[in-house]
Amino acid sequence: GAGVSQSPSNKVTEKGKDVELRCDPISGHTALYWYRQSLGQGLEFLIYFQGNSAPDKSGLPSDRFSAERTGGSVSTLTIQRTQQEDSAVYLCASSPVTWETQYFGPGTRLLVL
Amino acid sequence: EDQVTQSPEALRLQEGESSSLNCSYTVSGLRGLFWYRQDPGKGPEFLFTLYSAGEEKEKERLKATLTKKESFLHITAPKPEDSATYLCAVQASGGANNLFFGTGTRLTVIP
Repeated sequence: GAGVSQSPSNKVTEKGKDVELRCDPISGHTALYWYRQSLGQGLEFLIYFQGNSAPDKSGLPSDRFSAERTGGSVSTLTIQRTQQEDSAVYLCASSPVTWETQYFGPGTRLLVL
Repeated sequence: EDQVTQSPEALRLQEGESSSLNCSYTVSGLRGLFWYRQDPGKGPEFLFTLYSAGEEKEKERLKATLTKKESFLHITAPKPEDSATYLCAVQASGGANNLFFGTGTRLTVIP
C-alpha cells in the first residue's frame, strides 16, 4: 500500500517568510509525528498527534512552529517568520497506534536564505 | 534524560567483511528500541524493533540484538548496496511517545 507522503519535497524561502509543509500518513494510522533532521544532527522530535486527542507539542523549538491535523489524517506543519537556523529536513512519520513502529515519509528539505 | 549514542560515526568495510554497529542507550523504562536505515536524500526505512533484553531479530544480512544497556546491529558479509546510514532510536515507556534518535553510523561497503 501507499506509504507516508510529504510535500513539497524541497522548499526554498527567504528569511522572514512563512512556510507550510504537508504530510499524508498511511491510511488507517492514528498516530502522526513530525521530526526535524539538521545536518550532522540526529532526528529531533517536534510534535505528535494521536487520534482526536490534544497534540503533544513538547518538542516544538519556538512559538513560530505550529501544526494541525485535519480529520485525523493530513497534517500541516507551519513555520512563521522563518530563520536561517530553520533550514533542515522535516520528516513526518505515522504508526497504527502510539506505541507501534513508526513509518517515515521522504521528508521536505527546507532552505531558508 | 534519555540518551542514545551510536558508534562508530562512520565505518568502511570491504565487501564480505562482517562487522557490528553499536547503540548504547539510557532511558527511563524502555518500551522499544528501533533500527532504521537511511539512504541519502530519503526518509528512514524501518528495519527492526526490539522490546526486551535477549531479543534478536534477523533480516537478510542484518541481525539486531538487545541487552539492558545497548543494542548491536551485526552485518554479515555486507554488499555495496548495504551502504547507508543506520539509525538507532528508543521509545520510553513513560511520557511522550516519540522516538529519541542517535546520530547514526554511516556505513560504506567497498566492492
